[in-house]
Amino acid sequence: EPEVTQTPSHQVTQMGQEVILRCVPISNHLYFYWYRQILGQKVEFLVSFYNNEISEKSEIFDDQFSVERPDGSNFTLKIRSTKLEDSAMYFCASVLIVTGELFFGEGSRLTVL
Amino acid sequence: AQRVTQPEKLLSVFKGAPVELKCNYSYSGSPELFWYVQYSRQRLQLLLRHISRESIKGFTADLNKGETSFHLKKPFAQEEDSAMYYCALIWGNTDKLIFGTGTRLQVFP
Repeated sequence: EPEVTQTPSHQVTQMGQEVILRCVPISNHLYFYWYRQILGQKVEFLVSFYNNEISEKSEIFDDQFSVERPDGSNFTLKIRSTKLEDSAMYFCASVLIVTGELFFGEGSRLTVL
Repeated sequence: AQRVTQPEKLLSVFKGAPVELKCNYSYSGSPELFWYVQYSRQRLQLLLRHISRESIKGFTADLNKGETSFHLKKPFAQEEDSAMYYCALIWGNTDKLIFGTGTRLQVFP
C-alpha cells in the first residue's frame, strides 16, 4: 500500500540555521500539507498546497517558512532561520481530493539547540 | 474561529470497560468531523468519519449538532485500543483539517 514518506526522521540543528524537511506524498495525490506538533501539544496546521501553489496557510506559517514541490515527487518544507520554538514533530500529509481523510507520514522530529 | 476541544488529556480504563472520548467543536455551519488515531510508533491515521456512520474496530461516533459534540465510544475496550485519539474538523470550502489536542487512551489488562 502506498505511503507518505518523510526524511529525515530526526534532525538536530543550531538556532539560526536553515532546515529542509522532505516529503514524498502518495504519487497520484493532488493536495499536500504540513502540520507540526510541539511536544505535548496538539497537531497544528501549517500549510496546504495544491496545483503548485499555497492553498491556505496558518498564522504560524510566517516568512521564515516556505514550501516547494521541486519535481513531480517531492514536497519540501524549508525553515530559513530556525528558532528554539521551531522544535517539533513535523508531519507531511497528502490526499487525492479533499475528503478529510489525510494520509500522513511518520513525521520528522526537528530539534533546535 | 473554528475550534475542536478534547477536554481529557488522559483516559484510563480496564479491559472490557466502556470508553467515551469527548470531543466538542465550535463552528456555526455544517462541519465534517473525524476521529484520527495514532498507535505507538505508528503514523496518524483516520479511524472514522461522521458522514459514513460506520463502526471501526468497535468504535462509533455520533454527531450531535445541538450539543456540537462528536464523542467517540466503544462498549468494551481492548488493550490494543491504547493510543492517542484526535478529533478533527473540516468545514466549508476549506481544505484544511484542524485537530483537537488529543486524548491518550490507556487500557489496562
